[in-house]
Amino acid sequence: NAGVTQTPKFQVLKTGQSMTLQCAQDMNHNSMYWYRQDPGMGLRLIYYSASEGTTDKGEVPNGYNVSRLNKREFSLRLESAAPSQTSVYFCASSLSYSGNTIYFGEGSWLTVV
Amino acid sequence: AQTVTQSQPEMSVQEAETVTLSCTYDTSESDYYLFWYKQPPSRQMILVIRQEAYKQQNATENRFSVNFQKAAKSFSLKISDSQLGDAAMYFCAYRSAGDTDKLIFGTGTRLQVFP
Repeated sequence: NAGVTQTPKFQVLKTGQSMTLQCAQDMNHNSMYWYRQDPGMGLRLIYYSASEGTTDKGEVPNGYNVSRLNKREFSLRLESAAPSQTSVYFCASSLSYSGNTIYFGEGSWLTVV
Repeated sequence: AQTVTQSQPEMSVQEAETVTLSCTYDTSESDYYLFWYKQPPSRQMILVIRQEAYKQQNATENRFSVNFQKAAKSFSLKISDSQLGDAAMYFCAYRSAGDTDKLIFGTGTRLQVFP
């Protein structure tokens, strides 16, 4: 019952460093998403991928890039980390669009100092 | 643009009692989906219940039920027989039918459960 798996779970970066958050799902879902959650706020969509080979910007895409490597995997890259990107990042997936339930990974805690 | 509002930053309830968490949303769409997610201290997002807007019947899942008022754009969550394990952040979320991206969250309500 792996569901959505994210790595790493915790990471501390220095300003200007780059890193990639990895995400994989084993539910044969078509759509995948990256969200961030800041203190006292709900989740905000960074990028999403409706299907393998496509990606689109969400609400807060600046400072991030994504890659939909295959149907299972969707990575999020911070090219030059900034303190404002300190957050908890969630990967999620769903079978398809149009109302299907979105399932979340356990989150990745990222601190940029 | 759609918005989701949770006007109760914090709520508390006694164990075994009932509590209702409020959620309102704004949309011009007629077809959409609504969700309640639970986030315990572990930060994992757990689906509690979902409601299709085209269904008049309110969704229920064991001790959890919703009061969906489409005309009023209201979607409250009722937790019956509250348990200590229900203590968590609860997020209301909206998703358009036909869109791939728009799962829009409210800011959450922190629920405390007292023994």
